[in-house]
Amino acid sequence: QSVLTQPPSVSGAPGQRVTISCTGRSSNIGAGFDVHWYQQLPGTAPKLLIYGNSNRPSGVPDRFSASKSGTSASLAITGLQAEDEADYYCQSYDRSLSGYVFGTGTKVTVL
Amino acid sequence: QVQLVQSGAEVKKPGSSVKVSCKASGGTFSSYTISWVRQAPGQGLEWMGRFIPILGIANYGQKFQGRVTIIADKSTSTAYMELSSLRSEDTAVYYCATHSSSSFDYWGQGTLVTVSS
Repeated sequence: QSVLTQPPSVSGAPGQRVTISCTGRSSNIGAGFDVHWYQQLPGTAPKLLIYGNSNRPSGVPDRFSASKSGTSASLAITGLQAEDEADYYCQSYDRSLSGYVFGTGTKVTVL
Repeated sequence: QVQLVQSGAEVKKPGSSVKVSCKASGGTFSSYTISWVRQAPGQGLEWMGRFIPILGIANYGQKFQGRVTIIADKSTSTAYMELSSLRSEDTAVYYCATHSSSSFDYWGQGTLVTVSS
């Protein structure tokens, strides 16, 4: 079950900036648990994009950035490129469920 | 860098069980946790459970309690996920993933499990 809410889709022209929100609750993001972000290209496994709220793994372009505040988090993509067209998921831990939870997912379309 | 290679696609009858394997290479197998995540067709990601090799224990998501078993064989660096009492809603791609903290750092290629009579 998805307890983290994301917009179903966002779109932007090449070069533009888009943001994706991830809304949780007091039992997950609001409890201080880290938020992580994944990129899933069509037909492939998810790939870790951001870990620990705002850190990029080696090899992830600095066009991707993220932040967390209160019970929400957000991912920003600046200088949007055609190759960024994918599904994006946030993820955290929920203490009420005693397990990991994912966001509902957001499809990014490059116009 | 950890690489995870999963077993091939499966077709199962309703009520039966499926066992998917995930072989790891690179890194130290007992130093990271292995989780299983599934994705139904056109749907989002859903965490099923994890195995912590260094402790030898598994934790399961509430939805899957009693129906899923996750184990690991340290001698072959292979994790297994078995799901029983399969129903059509279990048709999905099943992924294994490693994590040293709470993020899923490396993912397997996925295994499609189709449940159909």
